[in-house]
Amino acid sequence: SYVLTQPPSVSVAPGKTARITCGGNNIGSKSVHWYQQKPGQAPVLVIYYDSDRPSGIPERFSGSNSGNTATLTISRVEAGDEADYYCQVWDSSLWVFGGGTKLTVL
Amino acid sequence: EVQLVESGGGLVQPGRSLRLSCAASGFTFDDYAMHWVRQAPGKGLEWVSGISWNSGSIGYADSVKGRFTISRDNAKNSLYLQMNSLRAEDTALYYCAKSQVAGFGNDAFDIWGQGTMVTVSS
Repeated sequence: SYVLTQPPSVSVAPGKTARITCGGNNIGSKSVHWYQQKPGQAPVLVIYYDSDRPSGIPERFSGSNSGNTATLTISRVEAGDEADYYCQVWDSSLWVFGGGTKLTVL
Repeated sequence: EVQLVESGGGLVQPGRSLRLSCAASGFTFDDYAMHWVRQAPGKGLEWVSGISWNSGSIGYADSVKGRFTISRDNAKNSLYLQMNSLRAEDTALYYCAKSQVAGFGNDAFDIWGQGTMVTVSS
């Protein structure tokens, strides 16, 4: 089965840029979606089809996907961005989630 | 307001059954595929099952195949998950999620419910 690998944690100072990676075999050939989950809340879609943003998601959130790595980039990080982030792809008629990355705002 | 509300969770003994429900409102339910995603305590997200708009395409994670059955009733704007032969490792918060598209595949889940907790324990 397809495996998505995310770093368990990423730390960033307020106002800086956070980059969260999602690794997978030839992931660049797949569409990657990203979700934000704050403690005690349901996940929220923040990026779909590699780089599209749902309405209501700030432009500070962006995505890219190439080769074996997809990246979620959060610019000008705010305290409210502290959350778990999950990548997701569709492979062999199944949806697969990465293990999640905890973003800590210092 | 677009909303998904799950129900039916609870404490159940290993080997027993449980049926989860998800009530949808605020959108045209039969225009979209739907999914169940679970999250064990302190763990990450795991896709469980999905169903296309007309129930023509259905999929299951290997971990639940043969034990869980997904279904939908478009007339009632409802999604269901019949869970049989429950195991301790099925203990999780179960989310209902709406697909962006009607069909089955490659899309994101743009609306999520708040989840219903299932605890499997003797």
